[in-house]
Amino acid sequence: GAVVSQHPSRVICKSGTSVKIECRSLDFQATTMFWYRQFPKQSLMLMATSNEGSKATYEQGVEKDKFLINHASLTLSTLTVTSAHPEDSSFYICSATGTPTNYGYTFGSGTRLTVV
Amino acid sequence: LAKTTQPISMDSYEGQEVNITCSHNNIATNDYITWYQQFPSQGPRFIIQGYKTKVTNEVASLFIPADRKSSTLSLPRVSLSDTAVYYCLVGVNFGNEKLTFGTGTRLTIIP
Repeated sequence: GAVVSQHPSRVICKSGTSVKIECRSLDFQATTMFWYRQFPKQSLMLMATSNEGSKATYEQGVEKDKFLINHASLTLSTLTVTSAHPEDSSFYICSATGTPTNYGYTFGSGTRLTVV
Repeated sequence: LAKTTQPISMDSYEGQEVNITCSHNNIATNDYITWYQQFPSQGPRFIIQGYKTKVTNEVASLFIPADRKSSTLSLPRVSLSDTAVYYCLVGVNFGNEKLTFGTGTRLTIIP
């Protein structure tokens, strides 16, 4: 089945630094990538949607200059958390849909970001 | 996407059948119903999808009544490894439509 590889699985960074999270579709072309954030004991919250070759569309309340999304190819999308602060600590998950795929969305395994 | 309502949490003993019901009163004609499972610190995993009546695969069954305003995920003979959060989502077979997750149901299996 479709697989999305997400790296790193966990990262610790200092406040003020930037962190990049990668998501790769391994056996399909990810025409659309979604990025979610999940706080402990809460549901997934959609941050942004990106289509290959286009600028990402951000959900209300998500700072586009802070969460930079690049989807330059059909197999790779990246989320960069710039000037990270402790409140950015969360679980970040990507999801991809594209061709060929049978049931719509495939999720990455998530990245646990801790900002100290 | 149609809003969904699920119980916040459920407990069950090992070996029992577990049924989790989801309400989606505003489901549209073209919408499908999809269930995902999420373990702690992992991404959601597809379980099952259906449009009407009953769908069964190797891990679960999905029951959808004629009015499609609700659906029930049935997990046969659960084990401790089924402890997870289960999300019900409704949408147009998704494609590139964005997914909106509800609260999900936190299922705890008791030995």
